[in-house]
Amino acid sequence: LAKTTQPISMDSYEGQEVNITCSHNNIATNDYITWYQQFPSQGPRFIIQGYKTKVTNEVASLFIPADRKSSTLSLPRVSLSDTAVYYCLVGDGGKLIFGQGTELSVKP
Amino acid sequence: SQTIHQWPATLVQPVGSPLSLECTVEGTSNPNLYWYRQAAGRGLQLLFYSVGIGQISSEVPQNLSASRPQDRQFILSSKKLLLSDSGFYLCASDRVSYNEQFFGPGTRLTVL
Repeated sequence: LAKTTQPISMDSYEGQEVNITCSHNNIATNDYITWYQQFPSQGPRFIIQGYKTKVTNEVASLFIPADRKSSTLSLPRVSLSDTAVYYCLVGDGGKLIFGQGTELSVKP
Repeated sequence: SQTIHQWPATLVQPVGSPLSLECTVEGTSNPNLYWYRQAAGRGLQLLFYSVGIGQISSEVPQNLSASRPQDRQFILSSKKLLLSDSGFYLCASDRVSYNEQFFGPGTRLTVL
C-alpha cells in the first residue's frame, strides 16, 4: 500500500476555493486515489475517487497529473461546515491506510 | 448504500474489565469488514479486517480480538482492558473492488 504525504493543516475563509495536495510517489498501477472527510466524533465519509486526469462530483474535484504521483482535492467556495480533516488514500480495494490527514479550518 | 450500526456510542470502563463492541451492517451482503481505532488528534489505525464469516486478520499485536459470527456482524472484544485501549473505535465495510468504505458512528471508549 502506497504511503501518502499531505499538509497537516490549512486555513481558509468562507467563499474561497481550497486546494489540498497529496503526494504518493510509490503509487501502483492498479491503485486508485480516494479522499475522505472526517468531522469530530464521526467516522470518515467518502468524498471522491479517481484514477487519472480530473474527476468532479457535487462536492469536490480531484485533479491527478499524468504521472499520478500526486493529486489535488479542490473544494469550491468553502463554508464553515467544511471545517474537517481530509484524508488522501491510495489503494486497489480492501485495506486502506489512513495517514494523519489535513485539518482544514474555515474561518468567517 | 450501506448502513453501519455500532453500539454503544460511549463507554467508560475500568482497567482490567472486559469489552465487547458490536457492529452490524445493512444494505449489502458478504462485505469486507474493518475495525479501526483513532486516538485523540491522530489518524485511523486499522486493527482487524474480515473478508468473511470466521475469517479475521489482525493488523497489529494488541490486547484486542475480533470475531465475525455472522455475515454482517463484527465484534471487537477484550478480556482485560488497558488504559491504552482508550480511543474512538470505528467499524467500516466496503464495496468490492472500490476504495469506498462506509463507516459507522463510532464508539468512544474511555478506560479509567
